[in-house]
Amino acid sequence: GIQVEQSPPDLILQEGANSTLRCNFSDSVNNLQWFHQNPWGQLINLFYIPSGTKQNGRLSATTVATERYSLLYISSSQTTDSGVYFCAVQGDYKLSFGAGTTVTVRA
Amino acid sequence: EAQVTQNPRYLITVTGKKLTVTCSQNMNHEYMSWYRQDPGLGLRQIYYSMNVEVTDKGDVPEGYKVSRKEKRNFPLILESPSPNQTSLYFCASSLGRRTYNEQFFGPGTRLTVL
Repeated sequence: GIQVEQSPPDLILQEGANSTLRCNFSDSVNNLQWFHQNPWGQLINLFYIPSGTKQNGRLSATTVATERYSLLYISSSQTTDSGVYFCAVQGDYKLSFGAGTTVTVRA
Repeated sequence: EAQVTQNPRYLITVTGKKLTVTCSQNMNHEYMSWYRQDPGLGLRQIYYSMNVEVTDKGDVPEGYKVSRKEKRNFPLILESPSPNQTSLYFCASSLGRRTYNEQFFGPGTRLTVL
C-alpha cells in the first residue's frame, strides 16, 4: 500500500505564530485530503487537494503530486487550532492515513 | 444538512454480546467505508462498499461484518465482540466509485469491550 509520512510528529506554537506541516507519500495518488481531529475525536475535512493550492481562511494547502508531497500552512494560529492534523491519500478505494501531527497552540 | 451520522456515539459492552453500529448518509453517495482508529496504529480501513449489495474487505476485517441493503445505510456488525475491538470507529462516504472524490466522515463511535 501507499506509505504516508507526516512531519513533524509534534508541534507546539505560541498563539499568533505560523507553521507548516508536511506530508510525503510513496506513490502516485488520486486523492489527497487534510483533516483536523479535534479534542472530541471528530475528523473535520480541511482540504480535498490532489494537486495545486487552496486556501480557506487562515489555512492553506499545496500539493505537488509529481514530487509526492503536500504542505499544510497554518497562519496566525489560535488555541482552537490545537489537535491532530492528518494527511490521507487514496490510490485505489481506501484512504491511507499518515500518523498525524499533534499541534498544541498556547495562549 | 449534508452529513454522515453514526449511532451510538459511545458504547460500553461486554465480550460476546452482539452489537451493531449504524451509519447513514444523506448525500446519495455510492461509496461507503468503515475505519477504526487506535493509538500508535492510526486509522485503518475495515470494510468498504462501492454500491448497494457490493462490499469488500479492507485491511482489518476480522471480527466484523457489514451489509449494504440500501444506498444510504452501511451498518457495522460485531457478532462476538472482544476487548481487542475496543477502538474509535468512523464511517465515511464519498460520491462515486469510479472517480476519486472527497470522503466525508461521521462523528465517530467510541466502543469499549470489557
